[in-house]
Amino acid sequence: DQQVKQNSPSLSVQEGRISILNCDYTNSMFDYFLWYKKYPAEGPTFLISISSIKDKNEDGRFTVFLNKSAKHLSLHIVPSQPGDSAVYFCAALPSSSNTGKLIFGQGTTLQVKP
Amino acid sequence: GAGVSQSPSNKVTEKGKDVELRCDPISGHTALYWYRQRLGQGLEFLIYFQGNSAPDKSGLPSDRFSAERTGESVSTLTIQRTQQEDSAVYLCASSLLPGGDTQYFGPGTRLTVL
Repeated sequence: DQQVKQNSPSLSVQEGRISILNCDYTNSMFDYFLWYKKYPAEGPTFLISISSIKDKNEDGRFTVFLNKSAKHLSLHIVPSQPGDSAVYFCAALPSSSNTGKLIFGQGTTLQVKP
Repeated sequence: GAGVSQSPSNKVTEKGKDVELRCDPISGHTALYWYRQRLGQGLEFLIYFQGNSAPDKSGLPSDRFSAERTGESVSTLTIQRTQQEDSAVYLCASSLLPGGDTQYFGPGTRLTVL
């Protein structure tokens, strides 16, 4: 049972345009949502997070939006840069977890074309 | 400072053999996680260590999988009698505190079972 889903395996955008990566979840009992970025042959690196009590969090070019009624979150990158090309994972932290055990989506590969 | 390191970076083994994967967390990080990423899938939680507390083994897929951690240092993940479905990238992460603290990932060990 996939509790966190990223339905788009890949996305291609032009440099300077907006990238929008989407994530859906099925469990209402998540406290935090996180986005990780992964380059080939490297481990994922934390990008940005949002608490379940908020609907938006912004950090530079990166903004995460949370729509709890739709159980949907999205990551906006604007303007997109070629160095943003990577795999992006959405992850959720269950409120019942006191261990930090994250539940990840399948990932979306973003390609930003120069 | 040094990040999370893992060894070996790649491991090819024959079906039925045992393998041992190593993780060196960031010094001072109390929490340590093992995840697995199979081809085309997201990261799958395996096991969590926190100090001297009993580990959370709820993600281990079978009794062929085991892991140890000595205090707040090195951890080893052992897979006995490997099967082809064990082929995956095994990722280790550590965090300063348990719960929702940021997890820092190592580069992973790519395991291929022939």
